[in-house]
Amino acid sequence: NAGVTQTPKFQVLKTGQSMTLQCAQDMNHNSMYWYRQDPGMGLRLIYYSASEGTTDKGEVPNGYNVSRLNKREFSLRLESAAPSQTSVYFCASSTRQGSLYNEQFFGPGTRLTVL
Amino acid sequence: GDSVTQMEGPVTLSEEAFLTINCTYTATGYPSLFWYVQYPGEGLQLLLKATKADDKGSNKGFEATYRKETTSFHLEKGSVQVSDSAVYFCALSAWDNYGQNFVFGPGTRLSVLP
Repeated sequence: NAGVTQTPKFQVLKTGQSMTLQCAQDMNHNSMYWYRQDPGMGLRLIYYSASEGTTDKGEVPNGYNVSRLNKREFSLRLESAAPSQTSVYFCASSTRQGSLYNEQFFGPGTRLTVL
Repeated sequence: GDSVTQMEGPVTLSEEAFLTINCTYTATGYPSLFWYVQYPGEGLQLLLKATKADDKGSNKGFEATYRKETTSFHLEKGSVQVSDSAVYFCALSAWDNYGQNFVFGPGTRLSVLP
């Protein structure tokens, strides 16, 4: 049981390049999330998927797209990378318990630098 | 909207000192509350949680009590260790008009000196 996995762990891009961050979970969770973490700003939600087949914007969606490929996988795409997207990206998943979602489980993160 | 406020760091303590990290929240619903810990170079890990008023979450010597009357969920540990050095995030999960909502505080960096 690997939990939440993310690839790659590190990536350096040039401005204007594109890339896709991959995330997978093996806990049969319904909901998945993408966050970015910047120094002094905590976690900010980029996109989330409440269930397979649905995606919704979070606090900072501009410059990103997502795909919920199936129940296990949720990818984040940068179509034209900008230096402002230099950050650490975390994927998370959660399930639902009663009327409230249970806690989120996080992946190890992808450290992205855009030059 | 929902929000979480926690004390700004960094917090520096000597080993075996008492730790308190304050956390307060605002929520329109009736939230679940969490403390997460992030060690250097890693993702966030759940430390403890509480889902209703007066619940006490506890783990690895850390404790936090869900206080609805003061909308607080302060993290405490009686005797910190060097290995507790990390960033601690207070968070809530609640329903609003748009559905389920996770909100994280900005994080408090703790350094414990031997």
